[in-house]
Amino acid sequence: KQEVTQIPAALSVPEGENLVLNCSFTDSAIYNLQWFRQDPGKGLTSLLLIQSSQREQTSGRLNASLDKSSGRSTLYIAASQPGDSATYLCAVNVDSWGKLQFGAGTQVVVTP
Amino acid sequence: EAGVTQFPSHSVIEKGQTVTLRCDPISGHDNLYWYRRVMGKEIKFLLHFVKESKQDESGMPNNRFLAERTGGTYSTLKVQPAELEDSGVYFCASSQVPSGYGYTFGSGTRLTVV
Repeated sequence: KQEVTQIPAALSVPEGENLVLNCSFTDSAIYNLQWFRQDPGKGLTSLLLIQSSQREQTSGRLNASLDKSSGRSTLYIAASQPGDSATYLCAVNVDSWGKLQFGAGTQVVVTP
Repeated sequence: EAGVTQFPSHSVIEKGQTVTLRCDPISGHDNLYWYRRVMGKEIKFLLHFVKESKQDESGMPNNRFLAERTGGTYSTLKVQPAELEDSGVYFCASSQVPSGYGYTFGSGTRLTVV
């Protein structure tokens, strides 16, 4: 049974510092892995999707890595800004129909 | 392009009552998913429609939950009768292809059963 864990559960950093968010999963048989962002009262916004055959994806200040064999992914956010404050969720795609299994999320606060 | 719309945004009902949640996916998206997050837990899959057919309903907690997608357009999720443990946020998502790309979530319906 697939389990997805995110550490830490919460993180507070001063503006400008780099953020490192961790995600681990127990079953390496995944189709892809996504990182989402959720703002309070809003839906989830997809940030990056890494296919199972890829090692990393980059978008602007965001970089996500995937080590499928060890069941780990890391989301790096460079030079954090107060606008990066949100909950970040990791989700693995466990079948070919897009079924996602989520971690509990990491709540990030970036202080000015 | 309009996003995924869910309503109501909030619903407070008494235990034993019936509630119907609605999701309007992005036009042209054949794949529609329901997820929910109960207090303190992670978001969990409920079911997946492809057009009007249920592709996977393995996450539906019990037979008090009924999901429909008439004509392959909008979807409803009915809870009857509601129990206290049904409280949480119910999310709908849609996508054009079932690969994970282009997954778009709605803002969710916060359901409180008292």
